[in-house]
Amino acid sequence: SAVISQKPSRDICQRGTSLTIQCQVDSQVTMMFWYRQQPGQSLTLIATANQGSEATYESGFVIDKFPISRPNLTFSTLTVSNMSPEDSSIYLCSARQGYDEQYFGPGTRLTVT
Amino acid sequence: KQEVTQIPAALSVPEGENLVLNCSFTDSAIYNLQWFRQDPGKGLTSLLLIQSSQREQTSGRLNASLDKSSGRSTLYIAASQPGDSATYLCAVTPTDSWGKFQFGAGTQVVVTP
Repeated sequence: SAVISQKPSRDICQRGTSLTIQCQVDSQVTMMFWYRQQPGQSLTLIATANQGSEATYESGFVIDKFPISRPNLTFSTLTVSNMSPEDSSIYLCSARQGYDEQYFGPGTRLTVT
Repeated sequence: KQEVTQIPAALSVPEGENLVLNCSFTDSAIYNLQWFRQDPGKGLTSLLLIQSSQREQTSGRLNASLDKSSGRSTLYIAASQPGDSATYLCAVTPTDSWGKFQFGAGTQVVVTP
């Protein structure tokens, strides 16, 4: 199994600013993903973080708003840029090795005022 | 496009009763199906992973079945306890998804003492 940690666990940010969320996995994994969970909703995939190359974004999400880095097989960051109150959500990092079990981090609870 | 549905959306049972949670998916071309538990404001905890070639998986009081041809999975929780109160999510990995999940909306469970 994989253990995933995220930093920060929560933050309150002002409109127009940016926040970078870090995700660390305790073992090398082939796939890392970033999800968003808006209040009362299920999870929505933002993008697949690709090691050494640009992330693959889902429909409705763009790199300028959610830049993602993945410098190696155990670490990724997601930045939420130019934030608005609509960005208030839980952001979750996840990882899986091939098509095996998928694991999730504890999430980052973001509130934008 | 794969769609995942969970019924019911919410469920309340007295302690000791067995829980039955349903998950259906529209396309049987999947690698696997995974059940998760999510506590309020927290990340996801993996409960059971069923590969497409399997019919069921068991872990303690939890048993999950998979009928791929009919697009259904059922999670059974025996002798429910108040600590089982949470939202339960199912997710499938379509064969053409490059490892990405498709999530259901979840079933919110309350077990009353």
